[in-house]
Amino acid sequence: DTAVSQTPKYLVTQMGNDKSIKCEQNLGHDTMYWYKQDSKKFLKIMFSYNNKELIINETVPNRFSPKSPDKAHLNLHINSLELGDSAVYFCASSRRGPYNEQFFGPGTRLTVL
Amino acid sequence: RKEVEQDPGPFNVPEGATVAFNCTYSNSASQSFFWYRQDCRKEPKLLMSVYSSGNEDGRFTAQLNRASQYISLLIRDSKLSDSATYLCVFSYNQGGKLIFGQGTELSVKP
Repeated sequence: DTAVSQTPKYLVTQMGNDKSIKCEQNLGHDTMYWYKQDSKKFLKIMFSYNNKELIINETVPNRFSPKSPDKAHLNLHINSLELGDSAVYFCASSRRGPYNEQFFGPGTRLTVL
Repeated sequence: RKEVEQDPGPFNVPEGATVAFNCTYSNSASQSFFWYRQDCRKEPKLLMSVYSSGNEDGRFTAQLNRASQYISLLIRDSKLSDSATYLCVFSYNQGGKLIFGQGTELSVKP
C-alpha cells in the first residue's frame, strides 16, 4: 500500500550511459513532480506534471526528459550521464494547487562514476 | 539574496529543551508556507503548514511574519525522535512548485 514508489532505489552507472527512474503513485493525485537533492542537501524542483501535462520545467539540461504515460506515473530518463548528475532524485505527488501537501517517494540515489 | 535562508545548524539540545528555528524568504509574492521534516537518508515529509495567524500542533508551533518575511518553528519538550533536518518551504501560486531551504539540522541528546 505504498503511496509514492520509485525504482530503482540505488543506481550506480558510468559516465555517458543513459538511465531511467520510474515513479508511481496510488493516491489518485493529479500532479507529480521530480526533485533533485544534491550533496549540499538542497532540494530543487526539476519538473512538474499535471494530469500528464508538463507545467513546470526548471532550468534543467535537456539530457533530462520526463515522461508521464498516465497521471499515476512520471518517469525520468537521463541521457549521457555526467558526474554532476550524482544526487538523490525524489518523485512527489499532490492534489492540484499550491496549498496541498506533497507526498514524496523514498528517493533514488544515483551515483555516476 | 537566496530565495530561502535557514541556519543549517546543527542545533544540539538536551531532551526536554525548547528550540526555535527561523527561516527568511525573499519573495513577497510567496503564498503558502510549510515546515517539512527529513530524516537521514529518507524522503521529506510534511510536518505542518504555516498559517497567517500562527498554528500549533501538539509540541510544535509555527508562526508567519509577512512584514518581515520570515517563518518560525518552535518545538517544546524536545524528544529524541525529533532529531532530523527541518526544511523551511514556501510556494508561489505556480503549479505547486515548492521552494526548499537548505534545512536546519536538529540533534536531541539524552
